Amino acid sequence: GAVVSQHPSWVICKSGTSVKIECRSLDFQATTMFWYRQFPKQSLMLMATSNEGSKATYEQGVEKDKFLINHASLTLSTLTVTSAHPEDSSFYICSARPWTGEQPQHFGDGTRLSIL
Amino acid sequence: SQQGEEDPQALSIQEGENATMNCSYKTSINNLQWYRQNSGRGLVHLILIRSNEREKHSGRLRVTLDTSKKSSSLLITASRAADTASYFCVLDSGGYQKVTFGTGTKLQVIP
Repeated sequence: GAVVSQHPSWVICKSGTSVKIECRSLDFQATTMFWYRQFPKQSLMLMATSNEGSKATYEQGVEKDKFLINHASLTLSTLTVTSAHPEDSSFYICSARPWTGEQPQHFGDGTRLSIL
Repeated sequence: SQQGEEDPQALSIQEGENATMNCSYKTSINNLQWYRQNSGRGLVHLILIRSNEREKHSGRLRVTLDTSKKSSSLLITASRAADTASYFCVLDSGGYQKVTFGTGTKLQVIP
């Protein structure tokens, strides 16, 4: 079945560091990928829609300059948390849907980001 | 975009008992999915039910969908300690639209 790979699984770094998270669709092409954020004990909230070859669409309240999204190919989207601070610590998950459109979203395993 | 409202927020039962959780939403959907998330981990897809379906089974899972009431329920029968997790409904409008998550139900199954 369709697989989405997310890397890294967890990151611990110092405040001020920029962190890049990769999301790959391994056996299908995805013109659209989605990035979610989950705070402890809460549900997942959509941050942005990543569009291959064009700018990402951000949800209200999400800082574009803070969370840079690049979708340079049909199988890879990256989320860069720029100049990360402790309040950016969270669980980030990406998802993608195969071409056929009627299949469910396939989620990566998530990245736990901890900023010291 | 809408978010599904799930209830209960938390549920604690004994092993062997059944667990039922509900999801309500406001706008039309193409399909509704249920996912499980173990603490601090990724999401596991459990089951998908389309808008023209009313009930679906998968092993110990039974999902119902009532589009007139805009609600769905997930029943886990003969629960096991390994079922302890958070469960989310996911609302899908289909096509290349984004999906939205429900608020989640945290299930604890006591051995």
